Amino acid sequence: SQELEQSPQSLIVQEGKNLTINCTSSKTLYGLYWYKQKYGEGLIFLMMLQKGGEEKSHEKITAKLDEKKQQSSLHITASQPSHAGIYLCGADKGNTPLVFGKGTRLSVIA
Amino acid sequence: DAMVIQNPRYQVTQFGKPVTLSCSQTLNHNVMYWYQQKSSQAPKLLFHYYDKDFNNEADTPDNFQSRRPNTSFCFLDIRSPGLGDAAMYLCATSRAAGTGRTEAFFGQGTRLTVV
Repeated sequence: SQELEQSPQSLIVQEGKNLTINCTSSKTLYGLYWYKQKYGEGLIFLMMLQKGGEEKSHEKITAKLDEKKQQSSLHITASQPSHAGIYLCGADKGNTPLVFGKGTRLSVIA
Repeated sequence: DAMVIQNPRYQVTQFGKPVTLSCSQTLNHNVMYWYQQKSSQAPKLLFHYYDKDFNNEADTPDNFQSRRPNTSFCFLDIRSPGLGDAAMYLCATSRAAGTGRTEAFFGQGTRLTVV
Protein backbone atom coordinates (compact mmCIF):
# COMPACT_ATOMS: atom_id res chain seq x y z
CA SER A 1 0.00 0.00 0.00
CA GLN A 2 1.01 3.58 -0.53
CA GLU A 3 2.84 5.03 2.47
CA LEU A 4 3.49 8.69 2.93
CA GLU A 5 6.05 10.10 5.31
CA GLN A 6 5.81 13.72 6.32
CA SER A 7 8.53 15.80 7.91
CA PRO A 8 8.84 17.45 10.22
CA GLN A 9 6.10 16.15 12.51
CA SER A 10 5.76 19.57 14.07
CA LEU A 11 7.16 22.98 13.40
CA ILE A 12 7.20 26.23 15.32
CA VAL A 13 8.15 29.31 13.36
CA GLN A 14 8.22 32.98 14.06
CA GLU A 15 5.74 35.11 12.19
CA GLY A 16 7.23 36.34 8.94
CA LYS A 17 9.60 33.43 8.51
CA ASN A 18 9.57 30.97 5.63
CA LEU A 19 9.11 27.26 6.12
CA THR A 20 9.01 24.01 4.17
CA ILE A 21 7.14 20.78 4.82
CA ASN A 22 8.05 17.59 3.00
CA CYS A 23 6.09 14.54 1.93
CA THR A 24 7.83 11.42 0.66
CA SER A 25 6.30 8.35 -0.88
CA SER A 26 7.59 4.81 -1.05
CA LYS A 27 6.03 4.50 -4.51
CA THR A 28 5.57 6.69 -7.54
CA LEU A 29 2.68 9.02 -6.98
CA TYR A 30 -0.18 9.46 -9.37
CA GLY A 31 -1.73 12.44 -7.67
CA LEU A 32 -0.43 14.34 -4.68
CA TYR A 33 -2.77 16.51 -2.65
CA TRP A 34 -2.10 19.01 0.10
CA TYR A 35 -4.73 19.73 2.72
CA LYS A 36 -4.84 21.92 5.81
CA GLN A 37 -6.74 20.98 8.95
CA LYS A 38 -7.50 23.17 11.90
CA TYR A 39 -7.90 21.37 15.20
CA GLY A 40 -11.24 19.61 15.47
CA GLU A 41 -12.32 20.47 11.94
CA GLY A 42 -12.40 18.97 8.49
CA LEU A 43 -9.73 19.15 5.81
CA ILE A 44 -9.43 22.13 3.52
CA PHE A 45 -8.06 21.43 0.05
CA LEU A 46 -4.98 23.47 -0.85
CA MET A 47 -3.45 22.07 -4.02
CA MET A 48 -3.20 19.04 -6.28
CA LEU A 49 -0.10 18.04 -8.24
CA GLN A 50 -0.05 15.36 -10.89
CA LYS A 51 2.88 15.96 -13.22
CA GLY A 52 6.54 15.40 -12.45
CA GLY A 53 8.20 18.75 -11.82
CA GLU A 54 4.87 20.48 -11.37
CA GLU A 55 4.68 23.53 -9.16
CA LYS A 56 1.61 25.44 -8.02
CA SER A 57 1.19 28.54 -5.92
CA HIS A 58 -1.69 30.11 -4.11
CA GLU A 59 -1.13 33.29 -2.17
CA LYS A 60 1.94 32.58 -0.06
CA ILE A 61 1.89 28.81 -0.38
CA THR A 62 3.83 26.93 -3.06
CA ALA A 63 3.72 23.20 -3.62
CA LYS A 64 6.12 21.22 -5.78
CA LEU A 65 6.27 17.63 -7.00
CA ASP A 66 9.65 16.24 -7.98
CA GLU A 67 10.39 14.78 -11.40
CA LYS A 68 10.28 11.22 -10.12
CA LYS A 69 6.91 11.89 -8.50
CA GLN A 70 7.95 10.50 -5.16
CA GLN A 71 8.47 13.63 -3.15
CA SER A 72 6.55 16.83 -2.65
CA SER A 73 7.24 19.97 -0.68
CA LEU A 74 4.99 22.69 0.61
CA HIS A 75 6.62 26.04 1.12
CA ILE A 76 5.07 28.95 2.99
CA THR A 77 6.57 32.39 2.54
CA ALA A 78 6.36 35.02 5.27
CA SER A 79 4.25 32.88 7.59
CA GLN A 80 1.29 34.38 9.42
CA PRO A 81 -0.78 33.18 12.39
CA SER A 82 -3.51 32.23 9.92
CA HIS A 83 -1.17 29.58 8.48
CA ALA A 84 -1.18 27.66 11.74
CA GLY A 85 -2.74 24.22 11.59
CA ILE A 86 -2.01 20.67 10.50
CA TYR A 87 -0.82 20.14 6.96
CA LEU A 88 -1.56 16.76 5.44
CA CYS A 89 -0.35 15.32 2.19
CA GLY A 90 -2.51 12.73 0.50
CA ALA A 91 -1.93 10.49 -2.49
CA ASP A 92 -3.99 8.36 -4.82
CA LYS A 93 -3.54 6.09 -7.79
CA GLY A 94 -5.97 7.86 -10.05
CA ASN A 95 -9.13 6.01 -9.21
CA THR A 96 -8.35 4.98 -5.67
CA PRO A 97 -9.18 6.89 -2.51
CA LEU A 98 -6.70 9.13 -0.85
CA VAL A 99 -4.31 7.85 1.74
CA PHE A 100 -2.73 10.42 4.00
CA GLY A 101 0.49 11.09 5.80
CA LYS A 102 0.37 11.74 9.54
CA GLY A 103 0.54 15.46 9.09
CA THR A 104 2.78 18.31 10.12
CA ARG A 105 1.57 20.52 12.95
CA LEU A 106 2.54 24.13 12.29
CA SER A 107 2.52 26.82 14.95
CA VAL A 108 3.27 30.43 14.11
CA ILE A 109 4.31 32.65 16.98
CA ALA A 110 4.49 36.42 17.10
CA ASP B 1 -22.69 27.46 1.05
CA ALA B 2 -21.52 24.35 2.82
CA MET B 3 -21.00 21.62 0.26
CA VAL B 4 -20.35 18.58 2.44
CA ILE B 5 -22.34 18.66 5.64
CA GLN B 6 -21.89 16.32 8.53
CA ASN B 7 -24.34 15.93 11.38
CA PRO B 8 -23.98 16.14 14.21
CA ARG B 9 -20.68 17.95 14.80
CA TYR B 10 -20.39 16.31 18.19
CA GLN B 11 -21.90 13.01 19.23
CA VAL B 12 -21.76 11.34 22.61
CA THR B 13 -22.88 7.74 22.76
CA GLN B 14 -22.87 5.03 25.37
CA PHE B 15 -20.63 2.04 25.16
CA GLY B 16 -22.37 -0.59 23.05
CA LYS B 17 -25.25 1.66 21.96
CA PRO B 18 -25.68 1.87 18.18
CA VAL B 19 -24.98 5.26 16.68
CA THR B 20 -25.40 6.74 13.21
CA LEU B 21 -23.45 9.61 11.73
CA SER B 22 -24.73 11.35 8.63
CA CYS B 23 -23.22 13.13 5.68
CA SER B 24 -24.90 15.02 2.88
CA GLN B 25 -23.48 16.78 -0.15
CA THR B 26 -24.69 19.37 -2.62
CA LEU B 27 -21.90 18.75 -5.15
CA ASN B 28 -23.55 15.83 -6.95
CA HIS B 29 -20.30 13.91 -6.61
CA ASN B 30 -20.45 10.22 -7.36
CA VAL B 31 -17.88 9.12 -4.81
CA MET B 32 -18.30 9.41 -1.06
CA TYR B 33 -15.78 8.39 1.59
CA TRP B 34 -15.72 7.83 5.33
CA TYR B 35 -12.48 8.34 7.21
CA GLN B 36 -11.69 7.81 10.87
CA GLN B 37 -9.13 10.11 12.45
CA LYS B 38 -7.77 9.59 15.93
CA SER B 39 -5.79 12.18 17.80
CA SER B 40 -2.49 13.10 16.11
CA GLN B 41 -2.99 10.43 13.47
CA ALA B 42 -3.62 10.44 9.76
CA PRO B 43 -7.20 10.04 8.54
CA LYS B 44 -7.79 6.35 7.93
CA LEU B 45 -10.12 5.27 5.17
CA LEU B 46 -12.94 3.03 6.38
CA PHE B 47 -14.88 2.58 3.14
CA HIS B 48 -16.10 4.44 0.12
CA TYR B 49 -18.93 4.37 -2.39
CA TYR B 50 -18.23 4.69 -6.08
CA ASP B 51 -21.75 5.48 -7.24
CA LYS B 52 -23.73 2.67 -5.60
CA ASP B 53 -20.78 0.31 -5.37
CA PHE B 54 -19.61 -0.16 -1.81
CA ASN B 55 -15.88 -0.65 -1.22
CA ASN B 56 -14.82 -1.76 2.21
CA GLU B 57 -11.22 -1.50 3.37
CA ALA B 58 -9.82 -4.85 4.40
CA ASP B 59 -9.04 -3.75 7.94
CA THR B 60 -12.31 -1.95 8.66
CA PRO B 61 -13.99 -3.72 11.58
CA ASP B 62 -17.38 -5.37 10.99
CA ASN B 63 -18.71 -3.06 13.68
CA PHE B 64 -18.71 -0.30 11.07
CA GLN B 65 -21.36 -0.27 8.38
CA SER B 66 -22.43 2.25 5.80
CA ARG B 67 -25.48 3.12 3.75
CA ARG B 68 -25.90 5.36 0.76
CA PRO B 69 -29.62 5.63 -0.03
CA ASN B 70 -29.05 8.19 -2.79
CA THR B 71 -26.32 10.34 -4.34
CA SER B 72 -26.60 13.07 -1.75
CA PHE B 73 -26.57 11.13 1.50
CA CYS B 74 -24.26 8.67 3.15
CA PHE B 75 -24.46 7.22 6.67
CA LEU B 76 -21.94 5.62 8.97
CA ASP B 77 -23.42 3.13 11.42
CA ILE B 78 -21.44 1.88 14.37
CA ARG B 79 -23.31 -1.13 15.69
CA SER B 80 -21.68 -1.46 19.10
CA PRO B 81 -19.33 1.42 19.82
CA GLY B 82 -16.34 0.68 21.98
CA LEU B 83 -14.08 3.13 23.76
CA GLY B 84 -11.55 2.66 20.98
CA ASP B 85 -14.02 4.00 18.43
CA ALA B 86 -13.88 7.49 19.90
CA ALA B 87 -12.48 9.61 17.10
CA MET B 88 -13.21 12.26 14.53
CA TYR B 89 -15.17 10.84 11.60
CA LEU B 90 -14.70 12.62 8.32
CA CYS B 91 -16.90 12.39 5.26
CA ALA B 92 -15.55 13.40 1.87
CA THR B 93 -16.75 13.45 -1.72
CA SER B 94 -15.18 13.61 -5.14
CA ARG B 95 -16.16 13.25 -8.76
CA ALA B 96 -14.52 10.35 -10.53
CA ALA B 97 -14.67 9.27 -14.15
CA GLY B 98 -12.45 6.54 -15.57
CA THR B 99 -9.01 6.89 -14.07
CA GLY B 100 -9.40 10.56 -13.21
CA ARG B 101 -10.77 12.17 -10.13
CA THR B 102 -11.24 15.65 -8.72
CA GLU B 103 -9.84 16.56 -5.36
CA ALA B 104 -11.82 15.36 -2.36
CA PHE B 105 -14.00 17.82 -0.49
CA PHE B 106 -14.35 17.20 3.22
CA GLY B 107 -17.06 17.93 5.71
CA GLN B 108 -16.37 19.50 9.10
CA GLY B 109 -16.31 16.11 10.75
CA THR B 110 -18.22 14.53 13.62
CA ARG B 111 -16.35 14.06 16.85
CA LEU B 112 -17.58 10.90 18.52
CA THR B 113 -17.20 10.37 22.25
CA VAL B 114 -18.00 6.98 23.78
CA VAL B 115 -18.84 6.90 27.48
